[in-house]
Amino acid sequence: DAGITQSPRHKVTETGTPVTLRCHQTENHRYMYWYRQDPGHGLRLIHYSYGVKDTDKGEVSDGYSVSRSKTEDFLLTLESATSSQTSVYFCAISESTLRTGSNEQFFGPGTRLTVL
Amino acid sequence: GDSVTQMEGPVTLSEEAFLTINCTYTATGYPSLFWYVQYPGEGLQLLLKATKADDKGSNKGFEATYRKETTSFHLEKGSVQVSDSAVYFCALMNTGNQFYFGTGTSLTVIP
Repeated sequence: DAGITQSPRHKVTETGTPVTLRCHQTENHRYMYWYRQDPGHGLRLIHYSYGVKDTDKGEVSDGYSVSRSKTEDFLLTLESATSSQTSVYFCAISESTLRTGSNEQFFGPGTRLTVL
Repeated sequence: GDSVTQMEGPVTLSEEAFLTINCTYTATGYPSLFWYVQYPGEGLQLLLKATKADDKGSNKGFEATYRKETTSFHLEKGSVQVSDSAVYFCALMNTGNQFYFGTGTSLTVIP
């Protein structure tokens, strides 16, 4: 299994509070992604990173920010959580085909976030 | 833009039945195509993949063929088992290393 961990695995918070989710990888992969998974929507990309300090927005980036100060860590922050951000959040990593000969994404175990 | 459309679920089958889950895609260039599986309470796991036209990906009795002429990558299995019950996601990766996922198809196999 790819070395990807997410913390916390479960969190309950209140509307208006800041929340930070952490993704940590031991694979030294260049690309990291944050998705949210909701019924009827599948996986939707929030933000992604293509290197240290290099990030870009995905499909549903409003209300979220990210940071990547080290190759192994990718943080997702909800500055002021809202009930619509209740979801399961998945981190994923991938590497370029040229480097590894393989191009699939590997997923972390997920974080279940509930905003009351 | 790039996108993936897959068969709506849920799908319920009896054990040993034949499974097909349809997936079509829209993309410029030559994307790589994937099927991922998600078991309850877990993250997604790669099931199989194909990186160029006419490639067939296969794993654990599942197969899918990259059909560029019909922009499809349908998942098939000849005889499903109860342990195959899960949610299946079709996905593509474009030339910019961006991934797009379908909405998922829930499969339940009953004994």
